[in-house]
Amino acid sequence: QKEVEQDPGPLSVPEGAIVSLNCTYSNSAFQYFMWYRQYSRKGPELLMYTYSSGNKEDGRFTAQVDKSSKYISLFIRDSQPSDSATYLCAMSGGTGGFKTIFGAGTRLFVKA
Amino acid sequence: DVKVTQSSRYLVKRTGEKVFLECVQDMDHENMFWYRQDPGLGLRLIYFSYDVKMKEKGDIPEGYSVSREKKERFSLILESASTNQTSMYLCASSQTTVEDQPQHFGDGTRLSIL
Repeated sequence: QKEVEQDPGPLSVPEGAIVSLNCTYSNSAFQYFMWYRQYSRKGPELLMYTYSSGNKEDGRFTAQVDKSSKYISLFIRDSQPSDSATYLCAMSGGTGGFKTIFGAGTRLFVKA
Repeated sequence: DVKVTQSSRYLVKRTGEKVFLECVQDMDHENMFWYRQDPGLGLRLIYFSYDVKMKEKGDIPEGYSVSREKKERFSLILESASTNQTSMYLCASSQTTVEDQPQHFGDGTRLSIL
């Protein structure tokens, strides 16, 4: 079993839709949770960074962590064609950030 | 903003060649990382370094080595390139604090070994 599971998609939605992206994980030691956005032929760009359980909002993006269920989500409101990218979840467990585990990424297409 | 710069965006080399991939960060970060990214496999850690002249093996170090002579620069070396090393290579850096800090990535080097 992989430490982090992420549906690869692709996920296709119309412009303006609410998008929900999810990851599950198996290691209860994870405490720091991240979402990265990766455009084609570019490196991953940090979108959201949260510690422990709860919600964090930044503009149209909301990150949600449920440690009891080992489940994290990224919600995108009012999705735009410019949101079309691959979204990677990532998590680490308080080991100085050396061991960060990444999901394989979900490919998202937002149609105009 | 953190800037991680990888020296080449695209590189084509031949099997058996020694290949150098260079990475420079401008935020005085202690930690630097090399990953490869392949479809369906996600990011796999090759090597990382938490200080100058220090290095640690990641999950797939075979066929690779690294060098960190200066804090801002981390080099990945393919000792004798093989076709199964064709991949996207990503460099990242992060800061050492009490809390884990997220990694920041460069734009990658797409390496083809012929």
